[in-house]
Amino acid sequence: NAGVTQTPKFQVLKTGQSMTLQCAQDMNHNSMYWYRQDPGMGLRLIYYSASEGTTDKGEVPNGYNVSRLNKREFSLRLESAAPSQTSVYFCASSEVGFIERLFGSGTRLTVV
Amino acid sequence: AQSVTQLGSHVSVSEGALVLLRCNYSSSVPPYLFWYVQYPNQGLQLLLKYTTGATLVKGINGFEAEFKKSETSFHLTKPSAHMSDAAEYFCAVSTNNNDMRFGAGTRLTVKP
Repeated sequence: NAGVTQTPKFQVLKTGQSMTLQCAQDMNHNSMYWYRQDPGMGLRLIYYSASEGTTDKGEVPNGYNVSRLNKREFSLRLESAAPSQTSVYFCASSEVGFIERLFGSGTRLTVV
Repeated sequence: AQSVTQLGSHVSVSEGALVLLRCNYSSSVPPYLFWYVQYPNQGLQLLLKYTTGATLVKGINGFEAEFKKSETSFHLTKPSAHMSDAAEYFCAVSTNNNDMRFGAGTRLTVKP
């Protein structure tokens, strides 16, 4: 099925460990986004990539890095995980001229 | 920057009753407005959007919303609730392709 695919769906990390969340879209969209969702706070933008080869910080970028590997793939890396990064992470994409986002099904990350 | 306030973190209605979920926005320029729905353990799905033109917007599953500039509101309604409408609903505002702000969400419960 066409859409945004995120892996893994669940992950438990120990404080200080690193990991990369993967995201791929097959709709040929130019823009991709990483959000985190926390109870009572809605979704907050971590990083985005307006086009292949570019990345920019969002509202809450501290503790994260991203890579736009190609037009399809946009990964999010936690270099040294902290309990405050326990959250549900969503990847999204959008086409030029269409502001609405298409979301993946999310990665539930717990840092202990 | 633009912002969104959703009034009521939880709303409970009886099956067949009117659904009204409230959203107020703040924006210094004409906004684009969105409602998304999130079912348990899934990503966000676009319900409807307002960009320009007609202020009453119809979406999927019988939902609609009206953009009221004078009240800076974009409330979501459905005349008759169904059990399958139980989910979390997010209002969002954007003024450009890279900056979309989400409200904290409203969890809708539908009682039989």
